[in-house]
Amino acid sequence: DAGVIQSPRHEVTEMGQEVTLRCKPISGHDYLFWYRQTMMRGLELLIYFNNNVPIDDSGMPEDRFSAKMPNASFSTLKIQPSEPRDSAVYFCASSFGSEPQHFGDGTRLSIL
Amino acid sequence: SQKIEQNSEALNIQEGKTATLTCNYTNYSPAYLQWYRQDPGRGPVFLLLIRENEKEKRKERLKVTFDTTLKQSLFHITASQPADSATYLCALSMDSSYKLIFGSGTRLLVRP
Repeated sequence: DAGVIQSPRHEVTEMGQEVTLRCKPISGHDYLFWYRQTMMRGLELLIYFNNNVPIDDSGMPEDRFSAKMPNASFSTLKIQPSEPRDSAVYFCASSFGSEPQHFGDGTRLSIL
Repeated sequence: SQKIEQNSEALNIQEGKTATLTCNYTNYSPAYLQWYRQDPGRGPVFLLLIRENEKEKRKERLKVTFDTTLKQSLFHITASQPADSATYLCALSMDSSYKLIFGSGTRLLVRP
């Protein structure tokens, strides 16, 4: 079985540019989560979806961040405009109901 | 304020010994507590889940305890192996929510 697939694995871009991170959850999973991990703040939940509908976006840091899930097999996290403090590893995870979450291997984002 | 605390210093032990990792929390009333393993450059991988009404859970060489009075969980790896070297994260989830709140993790090093 393919796990959660994230792309790109690494992204380096300049401040002010738009960044789009992509996630393909495990087939059949009905929950999708976006996290951010930094040394200072650890692993933080940004937003999660149930059946493609955003349920809780209270962790999204500000309006520059947006997430969409147009269908059950694809989600995006966008940052526009990007800032150096957005540099982090961004993880996507999926689960079926209340079963444990399965994580992708993340996108390492560097904003110069 | 709400906090989840794990030892920030690495735990360094000899192969064959039992590793014990600690997760303390304040001002939370979790319904579940989960432990994840994270290797460098990879996403967290689920290991064990324990419910608030359970005292102990075992899986092969792993054991988790959950003391809601002390607000603490202990994670044990018996007969540790160098392959167990990784960062271990605890995560809380509350009733009727699929949100996970992660601790900062403890790095375990098992010397051959």
